[in-house]
Amino acid sequence: QKEVEQDPGPLSVPEGAIVSLNCTYSNSAFQYFMWYRQYSRKGPELLMYTYSSGNKEDGRFTAQVDKSSKYISLFIRDSQPSDSATYLCAMSATRGYGQNFVFGPGTRLSVLP
Amino acid sequence: GAVVSQHPSRVICKSGTSVKIECRSLDFQATTMFWYRQFPKQSLMLMATSNEGSKATYEQGVEKDKFLINHASLTLSTLTVTSAHPEDSSFYICSAGGGAITYEQYFGPGTRLTVT
Repeated sequence: QKEVEQDPGPLSVPEGAIVSLNCTYSNSAFQYFMWYRQYSRKGPELLMYTYSSGNKEDGRFTAQVDKSSKYISLFIRDSQPSDSATYLCAMSATRGYGQNFVFGPGTRLSVLP
Repeated sequence: GAVVSQHPSRVICKSGTSVKIECRSLDFQATTMFWYRQFPKQSLMLMATSNEGSKATYEQGVEKDKFLINHASLTLSTLTVTSAHPEDSSFYICSAGGGAITYEQYFGPGTRLTVT
């Protein structure tokens, strides 16, 4: 079993739709949960982060973490064509020499005008 | 967020040669820098973590003699791919961390390496 699994997509939605992106993980030591957006041939850009279970909202984006189910989600409301990108979930846990960051493989999202 | 640059953005080299990639943190002091490798349609894979002024810590399966990492200052880390082979062709991305919040890392734009 991979440490982090993510719905592969690709996912195509019409403009204005609500998008749900999800990841599951196996390591209960993960403490920080992040979502990154990566445009083609660019480095990832941090969108949202949460610490432990709960919800966090930032504009059109809502991140949810359910540590009991080892499941995290990112919701995008009123999706726009500019949201078209690959979305990576990431998790980290503290280890002896710093943080252990593990990324999901990414879900490619296309928002069609 | 912080700005991280990488140079070069794209490089083509011949098999057997060495290539150096620079990662600079432009507006904050990065006590920690991370180097990742990304294959097409695959996730970022952490190669190594480097702390300023000390030796890098490599992930299991990453050859430290092949991927030389230097983090001599708080704003610069370099990755040198030595004796490159075609299978080293990949997208290499660095990130800079070290803020008060331990999850924080800011990514560079990446370097596309092609070994012919």
